[in-house]
Amino acid sequence: SSELTQDPAVSVALGQTVRITCQGDSLRSYYASWYQQKPGQAPVIVIYSNTRRPSGIPDRFSGSRSGSTASLTITGAQAEDEADYYCNSRDSSGDHLVFGGGTKLTV
Amino acid sequence: EVQLVESGGVVVQPGGSLRLSCAASGFTFNRYSLHWVRQAPGKGLEWVSLIQGGGDKAYYADSVRGRFTISRDNRKNSLYLQINSLRTEDTALYYCVKEASSGWPDLESWGQGTLVTVPS
Repeated sequence: SSELTQDPAVSVALGQTVRITCQGDSLRSYYASWYQQKPGQAPVIVIYSNTRRPSGIPDRFSGSRSGSTASLTITGAQAEDEADYYCNSRDSSGDHLVFGGGTKLTV
Repeated sequence: EVQLVESGGVVVQPGGSLRLSCAASGFTFNRYSLHWVRQAPGKGLEWVSLIQGGGDKAYYADSVRGRFTISRDNRKNSLYLQINSLRTEDTALYYCVKEASSGWPDLESWGQGTLVTVPS
C-alpha cells in the first residue's frame, strides 16, 4: 500500500478552481512533486519541490504544503487539464520513492 | 532536448528473465540519477529503482529487491534493468526516467515506456 494517500477522483467545472491533495507523514520531512498523466501518454511533471513550477507549465498550476499534506491547485481549470494526477515523495525511511495512488480529475 | 528510449519489453513466462534498456541523449548522462518507474495496465505509478550518476549506489522498491538489478553504462549513455524470477504482477509498462538537478523525488523527463507482459 502507498504511504501517500490521494482521493481517487475529483471533479471541477470549467474555469473553476480545484485542489488535489496528497497526505503522508513523510511529507513533513521531504518535498513532494506532482505529475499529470493523460491517457496513453507518459507522465509530465507539473510541480516540484512542493511549490516550484517547471518551465512550460501554465501558471494556473500551483503547489503548496502544510504539515503532512501537499496540495496541487489548478486555478481556472481548462478542458485540457482533465487527466490523472500523481504526487510523489520519499518514504519515511528516505531511501525509497513512493507515489500516491493517483487522482482522476474530471473537468 | 532530453530523449529517453526504452526497449526490451516482451512477453515472458513466469520465472523467466529479461533485460530492459534505455538509451539516453540530450543531457550530460553521468551527472544525473536515473529511475525505473512502472505502471500496471489501468493502475497507478509504482517506483521501481534508482541509480546515482556514478553508478555506485542503487535503491530498490521492496517489491523488487533481490529480483531486479539496475545498472548503467556511462560510456554508452545507457540505463538497464535486469529482471529475474518474473511474476505475473510484474506485468507493466516500464518507464525510464531522468531525475531533475533538484534531486529526488523530482522526475523531470520520462520515456514512452516498454511493455513487459508475464501471462498467468
